[in-house]
Amino acid sequence: ETGVTQSPTHLIKTRGQQVTLRCSSQSGHNTVSWYQQALGQGPQFIFQYYREEENGRGNFPPRFSGLQFPNYSSELNVNALELDDSALYLCASSIGTGPETQYFGPGTRLLVL
Amino acid sequence: KQEVTQIPAALSVPEGENLVLNCSFTDSAIYNLQWFRQDPGKGLTSLLLIQSSQREQTSGRLNASLDKSSGRSTLYIAASQPGDSATYLCAVITTGANSKLTFGKGITLSVRP
Repeated sequence: ETGVTQSPTHLIKTRGQQVTLRCSSQSGHNTVSWYQQALGQGPQFIFQYYREEENGRGNFPPRFSGLQFPNYSSELNVNALELDDSALYLCASSIGTGPETQYFGPGTRLLVL
Repeated sequence: KQEVTQIPAALSVPEGENLVLNCSFTDSAIYNLQWFRQDPGKGLTSLLLIQSSQREQTSGRLNASLDKSSGRSTLYIAASQPGDSATYLCAVITTGANSKLTFGKGITLSVRP
């Protein structure tokens, strides 16, 4: 198992609500990347945080936002939830922003009704 | 735009068979290619990482090869076991994309006892 943890493990929300997902990175890692994995699909890159700053973003609307804290843990916030936001949300931690190995957490399963 | 393809989407084999999982990518300018395993509803476990300068990597019964010029990778699993049943995803980091991983949709493998 990696040292990356995510909370909560499961979450049910209704359309229009807001949600916050949390990720604790592996010790010594200063970079966190977030991915969305819809059922039957590969993970899609949402954004990456490095030393508390956003460092790259995928093709996701502004209602997906994030934070990284001084201890390098991170939050993913999604506003105005839509049914299509139902997915497994994965975070991955790594050292730096280069092509280093990323270590994934177990994910948060979000269901939007 | 980098695209990663894995075909077929699902595969069923009897226990003990040697098998090959294929992955192709459209942009050969990659830093590395990584194979992951995902059990149902779980996060990603890294199996093998091949740097762009390498041709293959081995770990136990797993061997991954990379042909960057043709945009292909294969994951070879020797003497398959029921415990190998899972979804196998390949992902690449494209040059200039920092550490963003681009994933295929995965191949769901079922090994029958």
